[in-house]
Amino acid sequence: AQTVTQSQPEMSVQEAETVTLSCTYDTSESDYYLFWYKQPPSRQMILVIRQEAYKQQNATENRFSVNFQKAAKSFSLKISDSQLGDAAMYFCAYRSASGGTSYGKLTFGQGTILTVHP
Amino acid sequence: ETGVTQTPRHLVMGMTNKKSLKCEQHLGHNAMYWYKQSAKKPLELMFVYSLEERVENNSVPSRFSPECPNSSHLFLHLHTLQPEDSALYLCASSQDAFPGTDTQYFGPGTRLTVL
Repeated sequence: AQTVTQSQPEMSVQEAETVTLSCTYDTSESDYYLFWYKQPPSRQMILVIRQEAYKQQNATENRFSVNFQKAAKSFSLKISDSQLGDAAMYFCAYRSASGGTSYGKLTFGQGTILTVHP
Repeated sequence: ETGVTQTPRHLVMGMTNKKSLKCEQHLGHNAMYWYKQSAKKPLELMFVYSLEERVENNSVPSRFSPECPNSSHLFLHLHTLQPEDSALYLCASSQDAFPGTDTQYFGPGTRLTVL
């Protein structure tokens, strides 16, 4: 079974600075997808960024980028030029690309609470 | 966000009550999901529906009963719940249930408290 671990329960950053959230995962599969989701205090879970395991290039979405290290099974999220609106709980998630009973299933980490200080 | 809506947003019920949670997606998706989010625990997948057919039942107790009458609506019927069932219940949808093809979009959740 796949597991996702976020070792930082809480992180904080000053506005306009950069912060990196860590995520590691364990899997025996070679083809899969990784996601970062953001859950602000309003509770709506929002997709931040997505990475296909077969792609070597790190995904980027405006101020958000990932450092995907497949061999190390690491998938960190970097937020540049942090804004007050970035404050939220961030979840790392894994999704298998194979079929069977695991299809559709997102496996989430425990989450990291990000605080942004003005 | 109006893509995936959930009602009610908050629900308090006794252990002997019967209630239902409703989810509606306006995205034209074929797959819908129920997740449970408890304090200090990762999100747990409960059910997956693809084209109104249940394709995943992740060892969920029978006091939770899902229903998917069409691809836009998903219900979670609750019956004789326990206090430990108190949690945030999140609905999500994606274009299809097959992995990797799409992203799941989440609703705002229903905060359930069981007394």
